[in-house]
Parts: sequence; C-alpha cells; structure tokens
Amino acid sequence: KNQVEQSPQSLIILEGKNCTLQCNYTVSPFSNLRWYKQDTGRGPVSLTIMTFSENTKSNGRYTATLDADTKQSSLHITASQLSDSASYICVVSDRGSTLGRLYFGRGTQLTVWP
Amino acid sequence: EADIYQTPRYLVIGTGKKITLECSQTMGHDKMYWYQQDPGMELHLIHYSYGVNSTEKGDLSSESTVSRIRTEHFPLTLESARPSHTSQYLCASSERISGGEGEKLFFGSGTQLSVL
Repeated sequence: KNQVEQSPQSLIILEGKNCTLQCNYTVSPFSNLRWYKQDTGRGPVSLTIMTFSENTKSNGRYTATLDADTKQSSLHITASQLSDSASYICVVSDRGSTLGRLYFGRGTQLTVWP
Repeated sequence: EADIYQTPRYLVIGTGKKITLECSQTMGHDKMYWYQQDPGMELHLIHYSYGVNSTEKGDLSSESTVSRIRTEHFPLTLESARPSHTSQYLCASSERISGGEGEKLFFGSGTQLSVL
C-alpha cells in the first residue's frame, strides 16, 4: 500500500534553533517528492520538489534531502523564525499516470517560540 | 504568490442548504483540483479537471459536484449540506514541473465550511 509517514507529529523549538523533520514513504514507482508549508487557515505553499536523481535541494533556510534507496526524506530548517510556525507536509508522486497520483502525509506541526 | 482565489474563506450554514464554493485562477492552468482536509489529517482529492468540460471524481467519495465551463473557474457545489460535510476545502491548479515530470500544484487559501 502506498503511504507517506511523517515524524514527529508536532514539534516545539525556540527561535533561532535548527530542526529536522522526517518523511518515510512506500510509494512505488517513485516520481518525485515535495515539501509544502501550510500556515494555519491557508493553502499549502511549495518549498521544494525533488526527483529520483536529486538528493538535496535548498530554498533559503530550508534544505530537503532525499534517499531514494531507503525511501526517506528530511526537511532541515536553519535558524528558525517565528514565521516558520506552520504545518510541513511531505507529498510523494508516483509515475502511474500523466497526472501523477499524489500521496500526502499528515504533516508535522512546527511551533517556534520566542 | 499563487494567483488562485477561493471564496468564501469561511461559511457556516444549516443542514439541507445548497452551497457553491468558488475557485478561480488567473495563471491559465488547464488542470485544477479540489481537496478536502480535516484537522491534522492528510489532503484527500475529491475532484479534478484536465480542462474545459472535463471533470473526474477523485480518490475520496464525495457528494459534491463540480463544473468546468471556463478555464479559470472551477466551482464546487453541495446540493444538500450535512454536518458530515464540515471540513476545509482547498482548490488547486497545476503546471508542468520545469525539467521534470509531474505537476507543480498551486493552492488557494481554502474555504472552511461548517454545517450545523
């Protein structure tokens, strides 16, 4: 069964600290993996998209890694800011169709305290 | 910032009412989607469209219907709302991922629906 599991479910860190969020997936055949940031009451916004051949991609203070062999990805946030408080969602796409079916994780709820 | 808009942002209605959730995008995207999301849960695809006059049901069974008469407009309708329909509804459109395969999604801000 194709699944996307994220951990931890929630995380609280102090402003300025770093953190790492995890994503494990069983989706096959794999096409790409995306990380989205979803602020409370808003729609998700894309942070990174990685294909099979990419093992790291950065977007400002966000760095995503991908290990396609172990089917794991991580999102590292450096020097956290209060505005980083949000849900971070891992999404994996398969190669099954032109549309590419998307499998969503439940997200990690990150809270950054001053 | 994505140019995709949903109205209303919040809607509280009584059981049995007919409602339409609006979604418009100005990016000229052919593909559009409706997702349903409950708190702490993953997004579930309920409808999608490849273009004008094309609509398909998604993975999650839904009593809602959609239409796609114009490229930029993809409204979702509930003929008779029930408390079980209480949820957040997210509209999205997509474009081909540059240099890769698959589609990059752009989401609206969502409509939080509460049915009493």
